[in-house]
Amino acid sequence: EADIYQTPRYLVIGTGKKITLECSQTMGHDKMYWYQQDPGMELHLIHYSYGVNSTEKGDLSSESTVSRIRTEHFPLTLESARPSHTSQYLCASSPRTSGGTDTQYFGPGTRLTVL
Amino acid sequence: GDSVTQMEGPVTLSEEAFLTINCTYTATGYPSLFWYVQYPGEGLQLLLKATKADDKGSNKGFEATYRKETTSFHLEKGSVQVSDSAVYFCATGRGSTLGRLYFGRGTQLTVWP
Repeated sequence: EADIYQTPRYLVIGTGKKITLECSQTMGHDKMYWYQQDPGMELHLIHYSYGVNSTEKGDLSSESTVSRIRTEHFPLTLESARPSHTSQYLCASSPRTSGGTDTQYFGPGTRLTVL
Repeated sequence: GDSVTQMEGPVTLSEEAFLTINCTYTATGYPSLFWYVQYPGEGLQLLLKATKADDKGSNKGFEATYRKETTSFHLEKGSVQVSDSAVYFCATGRGSTLGRLYFGRGTQLTVWP
């Protein structure tokens, strides 16, 4: 069973606030990911990281930023939240594999509502 | 680029009915294939996977066979239960250093008693 945690699980916040969504994993995985899931269920990759001090933007343009200072921690920050940021945010991690099967392990998600 | 197309939902079945959710992929080389399940209010969980052609992944009564000739990985279950109600995602990945997975749009399954 994978151990990946996200906090908070639910967040309701006003426009213009700065927020940080936390994601931590205890498996020592090198690779970590952030997805945004729209109400239609589709997943959009917004950020990923290969390891410490490595971050890349994903397919969907996002106003959020991420950092990876420690292997286990991959927080996502919105400097100024807007109603368009209302969504479900899912964090995932995967181990370094060779010849691989890139199984990703997901956290429970953070449901963000911006009023 | 790599992509997955899966059957659009919603799918509604009675308990004990047979389930098929179609999934086809586009990818170069020899990708791995996955089915993930998402229960209400939760993240995605790996349901099953297959890493090479003709492999069959199976878990909790669900099965899917990696068919390279038809580029498909259809999910099947012989007798669904109410507890199988969830969203199912098909995904493909190529085991590169990027570790990217490409997900389908998800299929909502509702099983009625």
